[in-house]
Amino acid sequence: SQELEQSPQSLIVQEGKNLTINCTSSKTLYGLYWYKQKYGEGLIFLMMLQKGGEEKSHEKITAKLDEKKQQSSLHITASQPSHAGIYLCGAVGNSGYALNFGKGTSLLVTP
Amino acid sequence: KAGVTQTPRYLIKTRGQQVTLSCSPISGHRSVSWYQQTPGQGLQFLFEYFSETQRNKGNFPGRFSGRQFSNSRSEMNVSTLELGDSALYLCASSLVIGGTEAFFGQGTRLTVV
Repeated sequence: SQELEQSPQSLIVQEGKNLTINCTSSKTLYGLYWYKQKYGEGLIFLMMLQKGGEEKSHEKITAKLDEKKQQSSLHITASQPSHAGIYLCGAVGNSGYALNFGKGTSLLVTP
Repeated sequence: KAGVTQTPRYLIKTRGQQVTLSCSPISGHRSVSWYQQTPGQGLQFLFEYFSETQRNKGNFPGRFSGRQFSNSRSEMNVSTLELGDSALYLCASSLVIGGTEAFFGQGTRLTVV
């Protein structure tokens, strides 16, 4: 089955700093999703990437998909306390149906 | 429009009991997926329903079951609860099955004592 490995597992950054979270798949990616979760709550959809080389941005968050490396990265520019939470990458499995998820990256932004 | 609604938000049960969790998808969405989230295993796929039929199933024992009604609302049931079933159970709805943007509910926090 497909496995998604996220790095780092946790991150503490100072407000205003940039950061990058990586998600590497053990198998070919047919679609990659990024979600944010506030502790103990549901997931909030951030963006979906489907094509190799695709890059999408939403406010200060940019995600890229490197199909050849079976990897996606999520970059946050000028981090703010509101960016704190758990970031999860998800990918459609071989069946073409439900999402498999990475274990998540916990982000804390300090003042 | 209203988001995905999960009830109840919190639940405490005793080992051996059974529990039923409910999920109301976004209006017009016909696919509902269920996930279990624990600190150790992360977010794991349980099953997915579309048009009242289970279309896909994760690697969970038969104690975990679900169903979907004609109005797309879904329930999941866990029988003979074990301590290890304590988790946040999330449901997600999407317009069609697989490969599309899924919207998640706030989850049901189940604690088994």
